[in-house]
Amino acid sequence: NAGVTQTPKFRILKIGQSMTLQCTQDMNHNYMYWYRQDPGMGLKLIYYSVGAGITDKGEVPNGYNVSRSTTEDFPLRLELAAPSQTSVYFCASSYGPPGGSTDTQYFGPGTRLTVL
Amino acid sequence: AQKITQTQPGMFVQEKEAVTLDCTYDTSDPSYGLFWYKQPSSGEMIFLIYQGSYDQQNATEGRYSLNFQKARKSANLVISASQLGDSAMYFCAMREGPRQLTFGSGTQLTVLP
Repeated sequence: NAGVTQTPKFRILKIGQSMTLQCTQDMNHNYMYWYRQDPGMGLKLIYYSVGAGITDKGEVPNGYNVSRSTTEDFPLRLELAAPSQTSVYFCASSYGPPGGSTDTQYFGPGTRLTVL
Repeated sequence: AQKITQTQPGMFVQEKEAVTLDCTYDTSDPSYGLFWYKQPSSGEMIFLIYQGSYDQQNATEGRYSLNFQKARKSANLVISASQLGDSAMYFCAMREGPRQLTFGSGTQLTVLP
């Protein structure tokens, strides 16, 4: 099992550019999450998905979009990149829903994004 | 109000000694879960240990144990016999009911040889 994989590992964008961060998991997890981690801070939830075709907003969704067409993939789209989106982005997945006995989230290695 | 508070931005411990990383939480939901994650300098988030609000006993996973004091709303992580590889940032997180995880600001642990 590769677990949760993310690409790219690093990216520099210019203001106004767009990009897609890729996330794939091979654990057959239903639940997937996108977080951002600003320097010296904990993680904040951007979007999450409870299954293919179902997504919902987290704490900081503005400036981002997601889709979930398959169980394995959960890409995060940045439209019109801004310097405030400079951060490390983590994708995570869990087998069960929050509150259940299988809700431990497993994280990918992260994507370090800089917007100049 | 902060949901998760980690009051120790940085901690030092001598190799082979035990160390306690503090975490307090705030919730009115009777059903919640508490998690600890380790983030080494390489950046990945590694799950360490989980404690459910209804669990009667403190969680343990190898050298990690969670000192769960429900009345005080604290969930401290205890690492026994510290190793150099334990040097990392440690995050406490809480899941309230069916809602999503909230993370603390983290504690940077440095293990000294």
